[in-house]
Amino acid sequence: DVKVTQSSRYLVKRTGEKVFLECVQDMDHENMFWYRQDPGLGLRLIYFSYDVKMKEKGDIPEGYSVSREKKERFSLILESASTNQTSMYLCASSFSASRAGDAFFGQGTRLTVV
Amino acid sequence: GENVEQHPSTLSVQEGDSAVIKCTYSDSASNYFPWYKQELGKGPQLIIDIRSNVGEKKDQRIAVTLNKTAKHFSLHITETQPEDSAVYFCAASGTSGTYKYIFGTGTRLKVLA
Repeated sequence: DVKVTQSSRYLVKRTGEKVFLECVQDMDHENMFWYRQDPGLGLRLIYFSYDVKMKEKGDIPEGYSVSREKKERFSLILESASTNQTSMYLCASSFSASRAGDAFFGQGTRLTVV
Repeated sequence: GENVEQHPSTLSVQEGDSAVIKCTYSDSASNYFPWYKQELGKGPQLIIDIRSNVGEKKDQRIAVTLNKTAKHFSLHITETQPEDSAVYFCAASGTSGTYKYIFGTGTRLKVLA
């Protein structure tokens, strides 16, 4: 059974803290994505990576960075958490874009910044 | 920029009735259109997809249609059941050469028993 696993289901962090959200996939996918999901706004892409050490900004990268040191792991970093980063964060992975393949999602991390 | 509009935002149907969710995309280069179902407390899960060389695809009670000329695609669920209640997202592949999916804003479907 294919899996995308996010390290935490729920996180509560303080304003100004550095926050790491971890995601691991076991499908040997080239592409990995971080989205945030907010009511009425759907899924908005923060960053994606199409290969190890490669990354591209999505639609809302401000306040975030990412790291992909290994193919199976993609980390989202909030350098200095703010209350407007309270949200549901979803990680996904997909096959190479030589054909646009379906994306598999993790279960999500609900982050609250207080 | 690239955009996907999804309607309606909420939809209530009686059990056994059909449900239709519609999406419109802006990027004529999009060639792959997946639909995701998100149940409470879970991540989205792919339920059906369609590629641009096909006009319709069916899988049991769900079907997707694509009109490339009008840049419309729709999800049809027949004989709805309470377990179909969830949030549904449409998506379109981004500009050719990128790896992005552009998502709609979601439709909350409630199937009333």
